[in-house]
Amino acid sequence: QSVLTQPPSASGTPGQRVTISCSGSGSNIGSNTVNWYQQLPGTAPKLLIYSSNQRPSGVPDRFSGSKSGTSASLAISGLQSEDEADYYCAAWDDSLKGVVFGGGTRLTVL
Amino acid sequence: EVQLLESGGGLVQPGGSLRLSCAASGFNFNNHAMTWVRQAPGKGLEWLSGISGSGGSTYYADSVKGRFTISRDTSENTLYLRMNSLRAEDTAIYYCAKAIDGYSYGNLDFWGQGTLVTVSS
Repeated sequence: QSVLTQPPSASGTPGQRVTISCSGSGSNIGSNTVNWYQQLPGTAPKLLIYSSNQRPSGVPDRFSGSKSGTSASLAISGLQSEDEADYYCAAWDDSLKGVVFGGGTRLTVL
Repeated sequence: EVQLLESGGGLVQPGGSLRLSCAASGFNFNNHAMTWVRQAPGKGLEWLSGISGSGGSTYYADSVKGRFTISRDTSENTLYLRMNSLRAEDTAIYYCAKAIDGYSYGNLDFWGQGTLVTVSS
């Protein structure tokens, strides 16, 4: 059971906008920023969003992040087939004194 | 170009030990916190441990506290993870990852390709 809760799956058709949620508590998302990672099949994870809503250079602006209270969301607009991947949220937890990940969401592009 | 190259994985018996290494290049190693994250077969990501850029602060997940030790050698630009008392549930791909600064253990902007650890008799 992960400390951060994500839906196990999400789906959309090309061109659609999809959102993936990440729910935590006051000691993690409520107190710290959220990072999102994309893991394509058979590859290492890649930083997609940091500090809740910042994109590293090279990440398309189709990807955006937001945070409110103890929840965060990743939005992907203009969905493309290459977006099919697993997505993870992560945040520092002040009580655990460590980083906690969500269980991951598998995105399927129909 | 940033490079992280993990090594040291392999097959080990339950109760055994292993030391993973992560050779870093292409950035100022001293200025960045480093972490270890693992992924069991077919499962999600699990953060294991982080060490500050200076090496003065270390943090561990409860699942490995007391069994695993993170360290770094700034002269060799290498990150280590010493793993003792290994269990079957430690079987996973182990990734080292670079933080964006000296203390943001969850902001991991570059990952190695991982090294597989299998704990089995």
